[in-house]
Amino acid sequence: NAGVTQTPKFQVLKTGQSMTLQCAQDMNHEYMSWYRQDPGMGLRLIHYSVGAGITDQGEVPNGYNVSRSTTEDFPLRLLSAAPSQTSVYFCASSRASGGNEQFFGPGTRLTVL
Amino acid sequence: AQSVSQHNHHVILSEAASLELGCNYSYGGTVNLFWYVQYPGQHLQLLLKYFSGDPLVKGIKGFEAEFIKSKFSFNLRKPSVQWSDTAEYFCAVNRLYNNNDMRFGAGTRLTVKP
Repeated sequence: NAGVTQTPKFQVLKTGQSMTLQCAQDMNHEYMSWYRQDPGMGLRLIHYSVGAGITDQGEVPNGYNVSRSTTEDFPLRLLSAAPSQTSVYFCASSRASGGNEQFFGPGTRLTVL
Repeated sequence: AQSVSQHNHHVILSEAASLELGCNYSYGGTVNLFWYVQYPGQHLQLLLKYFSGDPLVKGIKGFEAEFIKSKFSFNLRKPSVQWSDTAEYFCAVNRLYNNNDMRFGAGTRLTVKP
């Protein structure tokens, strides 16, 4: 099992550009989520999904969109990148929204100039 | 809204010293509690978790944590740290059986000097 994979590992964008961060898991987990990690602030939940076709907002959803067309994939879209979105982004998955352990991907370091 | 406070931003210890990292949360309901570790350049890994039962939880690599409900605390301990324990440690909490509102602390960076 590859676990949770994320691409790309690093990305530099200019303000206003759009891009999609990819996340995939091969553990057949129902629950998937996106976090951003900023210095001194820990991880904050952006969006989450409890299954294919179902998504919802987390703590800091503004500026991001998600979709969940399959169980395996949960891409995060930045529609118009802003410098405030410079961060490290982590995708996670777990068996269900049941308080189970979340498995994290390796992260994507995004810089918006 | 619930929050998680980690008392120390950066802790520096010598090998074989004892470790205790503080974590307090503010949420009145029943919660799940977690400690995650992030080694340099790696992704987050679960150290240990508490859902119910014995409030003293043992995790991997000799770590343990004690849940004190009356103090809303879940402190992480290790009797004797090693250089390989150098990492960032995150406390996290969510409502019972609900990952949707997982809250992480700001993290504590641990540096262990050989």
